[in-house]
Amino acid sequence: EVQLVESGGGLVQPGGSLRLSCVASGFTLSDHYIDWVRQSPGKGLEWVGRTRNKLNNYRAEYAASVKGRFTFSSDDSKNSLYLQMNSLKTEDTAVYYCASVVSSGNYYNYWGQGALVTVSS
Amino acid sequence: AIQLTQSPSSLSASVGDRVTITCRASQGISSALVWYQQKPGKAPKLLISDASSLKSGIPSRFSGSGSGPEFTLTISSLQPEDFATYYCQQFNSYPLTFGGGTKVEIK
Repeated sequence: EVQLVESGGGLVQPGGSLRLSCVASGFTLSDHYIDWVRQSPGKGLEWVGRTRNKLNNYRAEYAASVKGRFTFSSDDSKNSLYLQMNSLKTEDTAVYYCASVVSSGNYYNYWGQGALVTVSS
Repeated sequence: AIQLTQSPSSLSASVGDRVTITCRASQGISSALVWYQQKPGKAPKLLISDASSLKSGIPSRFSGSGSGPEFTLTISSLQPEDFATYYCQQFNSYPLTFGGGTKVEIK
């Protein structure tokens, strides 16, 4: 069964850092483009960014709201991707989802269950 | 960035009603538009890709149309399980963007 599972969420103070993990089962994460999408409590969906696959050297795209503060990385041996979040702001409070992009590039075929990040003093 | 304007932001409807949700793109996006349904505490569920392609397992009462700048999601006969929030998303260019959502509530 194909599954994406996020972990690493929690409570962090403004200005702090946190790293989220996205672990895949049932498929090889490095073969796929993976996006991160977040949803603030009671609000809509916001695209955070994309990691391309290994073939494309894991080249990344970031939303303007997180560029320079968030970084994607990968560990092929653990079939995992990571979202390193630095200089966190209260407005970064959200449920963060990782989602795999179908090979044609025009929709997500799998989503994780989400990880809640709360930025508060 | 391409803005997607969804309307209405919320609506009240009865079981059996025909419901139409609109998503207008600020720039051309070809047919690179998808529709999701989201229920509280759950990840979005894909309904339609490529503006009008119904995904496997999705009831045929859901349909998508349009080719830019205006797209529509239609539910031909609203069922109790369809009360949820619906979002459009464009995959045409970075940054990928979502519409603001349409909450479908019970009248």
